[in-house]
Amino acid sequence: EAGVAQSPRYKIIEKRQSVAFWCNPISGHATLYWYQQILGQGPKLLIQFQNNGVVDDSQLPKDRFSAERLKGVDSTLKIQPAKLEDSAVYLCASSQVRTSGSTDTQYFGPGTRLTVL
Amino acid sequence: DAKTTQPPSMDCAEGRAANLPCNHSTISGNEYVYWYRQIHSQGPQYIIHGLKNNETNEMASLIITEDRKSSTLILPHATLRDTAVYYCIVRVQFNDYKLSFGAGTTVTVRA
Repeated sequence: EAGVAQSPRYKIIEKRQSVAFWCNPISGHATLYWYQQILGQGPKLLIQFQNNGVVDDSQLPKDRFSAERLKGVDSTLKIQPAKLEDSAVYLCASSQVRTSGSTDTQYFGPGTRLTVL
Repeated sequence: DAKTTQPPSMDCAEGRAANLPCNHSTISGNEYVYWYRQIHSQGPQYIIHGLKNNETNEMASLIITEDRKSSTLILPHATLRDTAVYYCIVRVQFNDYKLSFGAGTTVTVRA
C-alpha cells in the first residue's frame, strides 16, 4: 500500500514570497491533516479536512495560510506572503473515516522542509 | 486532553530491549494510548496503540498498567535504525482527531 506522498521535499524562498505544498493521501483515506513542525518541537495541527470539507482550521494563520482539497483527495497548502517564522517542516497525514472495525490512526508523509530567508 | 510525561532522552545498546516509559495519570476511560516515532528528517511513524490490554505487533509491544496511569513501549531487539524521537500520545478515537505531540523521548541506540 502506497503511503502519503508529499512534494516538494525541500523548498527555499525569500520572505514575502509565496509557496505551495502538495499532498496525496493514502488511497481511501477521507480525512487529511496538515501539521507544522518547527525545529526542536513536535508537530502541531494546522488544518483538518474530511473529504473536501474543513473540520478544523482554528490553528491556521488565515491571513497568510490557505489550504484546499477540492476533489476530496489531493490537497495543497499555500503560504502567501511567507515570513521568517514560517521556516518549518510541513507534514501531511491521512486517516480513515469511522466505519465498523476501522481505526483513525494517522499516517504521515515525509514532509516538506521550508526555509524562509 | 490528558497530558503525558516522558523522559527527555535515553540510551540503549544494540540488540537489547528498549523500555520507554510514559506517564498519563489523568487519562480518561475512553482515551487510547498511542505511540509514534520520528526518525531524523522523516515524518512521524505510527508504532502501536492500545486502550487497556497489552498489545504487540511486528514493531513493538505496549504494556499498559492496570490503573492505566502509565505505559511502557518495548522495542524487543533495538537496532541502530530505531534511533528516533518517540512520542506517547493519549486521545479518544474519532472524537479527538488532533494528535498533541509533546517533546517525546530521544532514544539513541548505540553499537
